[in-house]
Amino acid sequence: NAGVMQNPRHLVRRRGQEARLRCSPMKGHSHVYWYRQLPEEGLKFMVYLQKENIIDESGMPKERFSAEFPKEGPSILRIQQVVRGDSAAYFCASSPEGAANEKLFFGSGTQLSVL
Amino acid sequence: GIQVEQSPPDLILQEGANSTLRCNFSDSVNNLQWFHQNPWGQLINLFYIPSGTKQNGRLSATTVATERYSLLYISSSQTTDSGVYFCAVGNSWGKFQFGAGTQVVVTP
Repeated sequence: NAGVMQNPRHLVRRRGQEARLRCSPMKGHSHVYWYRQLPEEGLKFMVYLQKENIIDESGMPKERFSAEFPKEGPSILRIQQVVRGDSAAYFCASSPEGAANEKLFFGSGTQLSVL
Repeated sequence: GIQVEQSPPDLILQEGANSTLRCNFSDSVNNLQWFHQNPWGQLINLFYIPSGTKQNGRLSATTVATERYSLLYISSSQTTDSGVYFCAVGNSWGKFQFGAGTQVVVTP
């Protein structure tokens, strides 16, 4: 049973470009979470999704950031017109149904560097 | 939202020593988990422990939900225990908040 798969592991973008980060949850998991981690800091919640639904996006910046988890395929975190402050590690986690009472499993993260 | 505080922020241990990490949270939670982030950035789930006590090898954890805290015990520490330990708490609809972490360095 493969774990949570994130790609790419490293992504370099110039200011103004778009970044697309992908996350395939563990098999059988229908809940996905995205977190951002700045150097020497903890993980900041961004968004919580189930298949085809955004459950909680209270941690997502209102502009330039969007997330989706379609019926088929991976979850995508999209950052438009990236700025240097977007440079961070972005982690995806998944859990089975009923996330409130389940363990979270993390992917290896995508390190985004904005030049 | 729920506030999560971890202490101490940093811990330096001699190999073989024991230690206790603490996580305080500000409201009732349905879910509490401990994670270890190793020096390569990988996050490993150590415990799912909304209440009670669990043990896994040299690690154990206790959560006292009524008093809103959890403790992670590391016994006979090894250099591979180095990294950052995070506590994360979840509410009834599944959103998880992380504490700022405890940076642990185990020296030979």
